[in-house]
Amino acid sequence: AAGVIQSPRHLIKEKRETATLKCYPIPRHDTVYWYQQGPGQDPQFLISFYEKMQSDKGSIPDRFSAQQFSDYHSELNMSSLELGDSALYFCASSFGTSGGITDTQYFGPGTRLTVL
Amino acid sequence: QKEVEQDPGPLSVPEGAIVSLNCTYSNSAFQYFMWYRQYSRKGPELLMYTYSSGNKEDGRFTAQVDKSSKYISLFIRDSQPSDSATYLCAIVIIFGQGTELSVKP
Repeated sequence: AAGVIQSPRHLIKEKRETATLKCYPIPRHDTVYWYQQGPGQDPQFLISFYEKMQSDKGSIPDRFSAQQFSDYHSELNMSSLELGDSALYFCASSFGTSGGITDTQYFGPGTRLTVL
Repeated sequence: QKEVEQDPGPLSVPEGAIVSLNCTYSNSAFQYFMWYRQYSRKGPELLMYTYSSGNKEDGRFTAQVDKSSKYISLFIRDSQPSDSATYLCAIVIIFGQGTELSVKP
């Protein structure tokens, strides 16, 4: 079965650079979630989209932005990167009958971002 | 205080043991409770999903919710080395710290 696809899988950037992470949800899933997981940490919810509209916002820094496109894929844009942004970034998708609160999330493999 | 608290372990058990993993939560309004398994450098994989109080069983795994004490548990029977992973409890988008489990052959 098709799963959530994230690209790139690994990314190395320098401080103050920008990065764009992409997420392709499971076909027919309309809700996308972004999480940040630091080493030894639990996933921290950043932001979610339902039907191309932002549905929930978590601890996403102002330097980050995200959107969901007409084909339901999502991109997380990160600017002015800092050393502390080094983490695994997971995307999850679900079929959102209600916009997210009860929907089972399926996680992608993650993008490992390293900021030097 | 975090909304979901989980003992990070690590927890080491012999093969065949019964494993008990636990979380507490603070908001009594929470209704949906999940358990995820995460292998190293992989994304979390949903194991169990329960609504409100009670038990739910799936093979060797049992999820239990006690809303009166705001306590959720995951039991693994006849644990196997392949069960070695980090187990995360979650309430929709709020995750616990994860418990690292190691099952020794």
